Amino acid sequence: DTGVSQDPRHKITKRGQNVTFRCDPISEHNRLYWYRQTLGQGPEFLTYFQNEAQLEKSRLLSDRFSAERPKGSFSTLEIQRTEQGDSAMYLCASSSRARGGYTFGSGTRLTVV
Amino acid sequence: DAKTTQPPSMDCAEGRAANLPCNHSTISGNEYVYWYRQIHSQGPQYIIHGLKNNETNEMASLIITEDRKSSTLILPHATLRDTAVYYCIVRVGYTSGTYKYIFGTGTRLKVLA
Repeated sequence: DTGVSQDPRHKITKRGQNVTFRCDPISEHNRLYWYRQTLGQGPEFLTYFQNEAQLEKSRLLSDRFSAERPKGSFSTLEIQRTEQGDSAMYLCASSSRARGGYTFGSGTRLTVV
Repeated sequence: DAKTTQPPSMDCAEGRAANLPCNHSTISGNEYVYWYRQIHSQGPQYIIHGLKNNETNEMASLIITEDRKSSTLILPHATLRDTAVYYCIVRVGYTSGTYKYIFGTGTRLKVLA
């Protein structure tokens, strides 16, 4: 069990640029989640995949955000035309069943300048 | 909105028990209480969860009141490495094949040498 891996750990981008983050969940976990965390706040739910199907999206996920999990393994989160308000830690988590705890990755910290 | 209320911060002497309270007065009968912690610059780490019985694992104990409106996480012998933000979460209802966590702002626990 190598845990949940996220890449990159840190990303600095200019406003208006597109960015993409990758998450590699624990291999046997079929559920994958994306959360966003701003400074001093708890993580906020963004979206959820079961295998390759994106089953739920938060209203926080605007049209500039898109997430994929093409083969039910790794997932990507893309933000188009980044804004300063997108600066946050983006966390990925996975789980093997509806009950029980999630395993979170260490996150990707995005800074939009 | 988070369904839990926690004190924003607490201190605990190293080697002593840390007792972290959480109020969840609107919890429903089938909703579990989960605890996670987040050490600086890392993703949240699962600690323990419970429904109505007290639970214990290698990390902590969870005491849930009989009316289930509050709970306490107990770290029996706190160490400096337990300094973190601790989140008490009532898992939000089952949709799309999974449960979601709604995080609050947590309790910042500082263990003092």
